[in-house]
Amino acid sequence: NAGVTQTPKFRVLKTGQSMTLLCAQDMNHEYMYWYRQDPGMGLRLIHYSVGEGTTAKGEVPDGYNVSRLKKQNFLLGLESAAPSQTSVYFCASTPQGNQPQHFGDGTRLSIL
Amino acid sequence: RKEVEQDPGPFNVPEGATVAFNCTYSNSASQSFFWYRQDCRKEPKLLMSVYSSGNEDGRFTAQLNRASQYISLLIRDSKLSDSATYLCVVNLVGNSGGSNYKLTFGKGTLLTVNP
Repeated sequence: NAGVTQTPKFRVLKTGQSMTLLCAQDMNHEYMYWYRQDPGMGLRLIHYSVGEGTTAKGEVPDGYNVSRLKKQNFLLGLESAAPSQTSVYFCASTPQGNQPQHFGDGTRLSIL
Repeated sequence: RKEVEQDPGPFNVPEGATVAFNCTYSNSASQSFFWYRQDCRKEPKLLMSVYSSGNEDGRFTAQLNRASQYISLLIRDSKLSDSATYLCVVNLVGNSGGSNYKLTFGKGTLLTVNP
């Protein structure tokens, strides 16, 4: 079982470039989440989705957009990357919102 | 009170020691509680759920105190492989604006077990 797969694993961008991070899960989970993790800040929720075709803002949504066109995929977009978005990004999924989340192994993104 | 608060540590203990972590949460209506561990540069992984009556998994014991709104994790006979960051996780529900859709993660407590 692949579980939660994030693509790419690493990326370096220049300020102003755009990119999309892909999260795919094969567990038929309804709920999916995007977090960022910075030193000393812990995990912060960017956006989440409670089902196919739905998205909602989390704690730090500014500068990011998301889409959930298919149940198994949750895409995180950066339209115009900024150095402040340098971080490790984690995707997670769960069958129900109050149950444990399963995480992907992260995307390390550096913006110069 | 912060939503989910943990002692940031770090905790440095010798092999074989017993170590305890505490975590407080802000909303008394919260229903789901977990401990995760995160190794350096890796993703968080579920260590154990925390049940109202307390629960044990080998060397690990989790307890919940609803009256005082805290959960704890006890690790007995520490191993070198226990070195990691331990995250307290709560499904905050109720007046604080939490919802059933999200889990709130503490910032974690770093544990280093020394030989």
